[in-house]
Amino acid sequence: DAGVIQSPRHEVTEMGQEVTLRCKPISGHDYLFWYRQTMMRGLELLIYFNNNVPIDDSGMPEDRFSAKMPNASFSTLKIQPSEPRDSAVYFCASRLNTEAFFGQGTRLTVV
Amino acid sequence: QKEVEQDPGPLSVPEGAIVSLNCTYSNSAFQYFMWYRQYSRKGPELLMYTYSSGNKEDGRFTAQVDKSSKYISLFIRDSQPSDSATYLCASRYNNNDMRFGAGTRLTVKP
Repeated sequence: DAGVIQSPRHEVTEMGQEVTLRCKPISGHDYLFWYRQTMMRGLELLIYFNNNVPIDDSGMPEDRFSAKMPNASFSTLKIQPSEPRDSAVYFCASRLNTEAFFGQGTRLTVV
Repeated sequence: QKEVEQDPGPLSVPEGAIVSLNCTYSNSAFQYFMWYRQYSRKGPELLMYTYSSGNKEDGRFTAQVDKSSKYISLFIRDSQPSDSATYLCASRYNNNDMRFGAGTRLTVKP
C-alpha cells in the first residue's frame, strides 16, 4: 500500500479564498483523523471519523472549517473563508486497530 | 493543562550517547502509549507502541510506561546522527483519538 496520501503538498492562497485539502487513507483502515500542526500549538486534533461517520469534531476551531468523508477511501477538509492564522501543516492519519499512520501533510500558507 | 505534557527541548547529544525522552500524562484512562518520530517537513511515523505498563524494546529503542506515576519514556542507545528528529509521545484509551505531547527536538552531533 502507498500509505496515506494527501494533496496538495503545498498550498498558498489569499485570505478569504476557499481551501480544500484531500486525503486518501490506507485501504481497510476504519479510522481517519485530521490534525493541524504549528510551532506554537504542536499537533492538534481537528476531527476524526470511524467508518466514514464523524465521531468528534470538537477540535474544529470555527465554523469556517468543515470535513467530510463521503466514502472509505476519501476525505476532505475545507476552510472557507481562509485567514492568515490558518497557516499550518495539516495532517491526515488513518488507523486500523492499534497503529495510526500519517500522511506527508499539506503545508498551507494564507497570505 | 494538556493531557500529555512533553518538554520541547531542544536536546543536543554527541553521537553514541544514550538519549532519554520523557512525557507525563494526566488521564488515568489512557491505555495505549506511542512514540512517533518526525523528520523535518515529513509526517510523524510510528516508532514504538505499548499497551498498559511495562517495557518494550526494538533494536536501539526502549519504551517504558509507568502507569502508577503516569510517566512515559523512550530511551535511544548508541544514538546516531540519523536519529536527529522531533520525537512525539502520544496516548489514547479504547478506540478514541490520540493526544500528543508537544514533541522534543533531538539533535545527535557527529
